[in-house]
Amino acid sequence: DAMVIQNPRYQVTQFGKPVTLSCSQTLNHNVMYWYQQKSSQAPKLLFHYYDKDFNNEADTPDNFQSRRPNTSFCFLDIRSPGLGDAAMYLCATSNAPTGFAYEQYFGPGTRLTVT
Amino acid sequence: AQTVTQSQPEMSVQEAETVTLSCTYDTSESDYYLFWYKQPPSRQMILVIRQEAYKQQNATENRFSVNFQKAAKSFSLKISDSQLGDAAMYFCVSFGNEKLTFGTGTRLTIIP
Repeated sequence: DAMVIQNPRYQVTQFGKPVTLSCSQTLNHNVMYWYQQKSSQAPKLLFHYYDKDFNNEADTPDNFQSRRPNTSFCFLDIRSPGLGDAAMYLCATSNAPTGFAYEQYFGPGTRLTVT
Repeated sequence: AQTVTQSQPEMSVQEAETVTLSCTYDTSESDYYLFWYKQPPSRQMILVIRQEAYKQQNATENRFSVNFQKAAKSFSLKISDSQLGDAAMYFCVSFGNEKLTFGTGTRLTIIP
């Protein structure tokens, strides 16, 4: 089945130690998104790639970076994680433009713990 | 800018009964879409139902239906014959200007 895969599902890192989260997709969608979701809150968009074009949200901290080496993969790099970065990180994809709404397909998320 | 408001942080319903989750939104876009997404505990978010703003007819997907009131900017979700598997956080979401805007969510509990 076509899907969005995130690895690892759970990640523990130390304060200030760089960490990379991975997302891959078999949907061949051209848009990939990274969201941060803290406990019992709505997901917050960090950035997205439209094909190879990177689009950063204005309020995304510089501590967060992303790479998309090809259509299938996208990475989230946190250069110096702080305690406040502990959250669920969701990857999503969509196919745009399409003849209907740009609904997004979400991965299961990576839960990041910062110690 | 778009905003989405869900005024019910938590709801509960007896199994097999019907429940309605409320949502209001605001947008300056003339062409937009509305969604309800479901996020079960420890599981991935999935799309429940979609409504194109230009369509007057309310969307329906099996036990799930919406009441879309465009003038009032209201988009409620009705779940009929509630099942235990419906227990989840439900997010009302608008799409416009290439971006999803999420409401704060409603946690739905199903009472056996």
